[in-house]
Amino acid sequence: EAGVAQSPRYKIIEKRQSVAFWCNPISGHATLYWYQQILGQGPKLLIQFQNNGVVDDSQLPKDRFSAERLKGVDSTLKIQPAKLEDSAVYLCASSLWRGPEAFFGQGTRLTVV
Amino acid sequence: AQRVTQPEKLLSVFKGAPVELKCNYSYSGSPELFWYVQYSRQRLQLLLRHISRESIKGFTADLNKGETSFHLKKPFAQEEDSAMYYCALLSGNTPLVFGKGTRLSVIA
Repeated sequence: EAGVAQSPRYKIIEKRQSVAFWCNPISGHATLYWYQQILGQGPKLLIQFQNNGVVDDSQLPKDRFSAERLKGVDSTLKIQPAKLEDSAVYLCASSLWRGPEAFFGQGTRLTVV
Repeated sequence: AQRVTQPEKLLSVFKGAPVELKCNYSYSGSPELFWYVQYSRQRLQLLLRHISRESIKGFTADLNKGETSFHLKKPFAQEEDSAMYYCALLSGNTPLVFGKGTRLSVIA
């Protein structure tokens, strides 16, 4: 089966610029996650969707980060404006409804200079 | 709040030696515990979960509720086991919480 697809793989931007990441989950997976993984740390959840509704966005810096999953399938994560500390790998993952196993994409490596 | 602690950032062992990657968690209820692995240039993937009680690629992990631990073990390390290993916890309706990870390096 096709895995979780993310694009782009790499992105370099200057601070204060905007950037968007795209994720296409595994077909039929109702749950979608965005994680931020800073170098040397484990993935940290930013937001969890159940279909097109937000379940948990308590750790999303809402002053600059936004995410949507309008049709309950694809999702986009946006940062506006970016800061140096946003440099990280952004991972998208999906799972079945109430399924404990999360399937991860390859991630997008963001470098803010 | 849930927390997962992996005390070792790096663990180096010789090929054929036993491996134990430590994981401790804090959660008052009955969590589900997982080990995820990320091989070089590959995506993060599930290695095993405590509920299944199975051995994957020779690895096993036992949930010890008294010690709140879920250590990952393998009796004889192989070079292809070199990777980043993340312990993760799932509880109730909250999503996966990950530890900071341990890099396992198996030396030939």
